[in-house]
This record gives sequence, structure tokens and C-alpha cells, in this order.
Amino acid sequence: DIQMTQSPASLSASLGETVTIECLASEDIYSNLAWYQQKPGKSPQLLIYDASSLQDGVPSRFSGSESGTQYSLEINSLQSEDAATYFCQQHHDYPPTFGGGTKLELK
Amino acid sequence: EVQLVESGGGLVQPGRSLKLSCLASGFTFSNYGMNWIRQAPGKGLEWVASISSSSSYIYYADTVKGRFTISRDNAKNTLYLQMTSLRSEDTALYYCARRPGSFDYWGQGVMVTVSS
Repeated sequence: DIQMTQSPASLSASLGETVTIECLASEDIYSNLAWYQQKPGKSPQLLIYDASSLQDGVPSRFSGSESGTQYSLEINSLQSEDAATYFCQQHHDYPPTFGGGTKLELK
Repeated sequence: EVQLVESGGGLVQPGRSLKLSCLASGFTFSNYGMNWIRQAPGKGLEWVASISSSSSYIYYADTVKGRFTISRDNAKNTLYLQMTSLRSEDTALYYCARRPGSFDYWGQGVMVTVSS
């Protein structure tokens, strides 16, 4: 199975700041990566697919990028509603696997 | 509006069975592959099973293979997950989600608790 190592596990940032969350794939996943946001008590919501494509309705302050097997989610100009847990997920091969999650807290 | 509504969860004893359903609306169900994904309390996400639009292709996580069966009824716009030989480690919130690959819509989830 392809392992997705996500970091950091948690981070704290202030309103207006920019944060980056990373996922390292154990092998080449050819940009087949998605990012999700999950707020407490809610189901996950797709933010980014194919590593860098923004899902309809998602604010443009969210962006995705890649470098080799390292994938990044950047959130610019943090808003209070961005407090959530973020997960990456590869869908290059079965089984689809998720990163362990990053809990983002706003100071 | 795309909606996915899960049902059928509850408290069940180890070794028993349970069948989950996911009723879809707001899109042409028969055009999309569907998935079950679960989340144990306070934990991360674990993919469980996927089924293609016509049921031709089915995949399972190793942790449930041989115990769970995913199926669908396109006439009823419904996805199913038959779970047998349930274990305590199957305790989780079970989500249905649309589309193979990146899961673009998720239901609200249904809780399954396996305990004596």
C-alpha cells in the first residue's frame, strides 16, 4: 500500500497568516492527490483534487502544489473558518490511503 | 443539490451483522462510482470499499475483505454495505462518498458501534 506521511500533526497560526501542510508519498502517485477539510462534527469536504485543481466553491486562498513525491496545501490569509483538520489522500492506486491529518488551530 | 444520506447504523454485538444504506439524490447515481469510508472515534479516515457505476469493479480494504460486501441498486439510487462478523475495531462513523479517485461529495455519516 502507498503510505502518505502528513506533517505537521498540528499547528497554530494567526488570522491573516499563511500556512503550509505537507504530505509525502511513499512512491510516485503521479499527481493523484486530494486534500480535504473536516470541521468538528462534520463530514470531510474536498478542497483540492489532482494535486492542484481547486474544487468548485472552494476559496482561492487554498492552493495545492507538488514537488516529486511531496505534496503541499497552502492556505493564504487565514480566516477563522479555516480552523479544521486537513487530510491528504492518494488515489493513484488501490487502496486509496489518507494522511494522518493536520489539526489547524487559530490563535 | 447532491445529497447522500446514510442509514442503518447502531449498536451491534461482536460477530453479528449490520447493513448500511446510502440514498443518493441530486445527480444521476448510475453514472458514478461510489465508496464507503470510515472514521473511528477521534481518528483519521480509512477507505473501506468502492464499487463502479455498473458494479463491474469492486474493491475492498484488506481489513474488511471477506466480511463486508458493497453493492448498489441503481434503480433505487442506493448504495449498500453489508457487514458481517463485526469486530470491535469496526466501530466507526461510516460515510458514503461519490466518485472514484477524489471523493467530491460525502454523506453526513452513520455510526456503527460494535460492543457486547
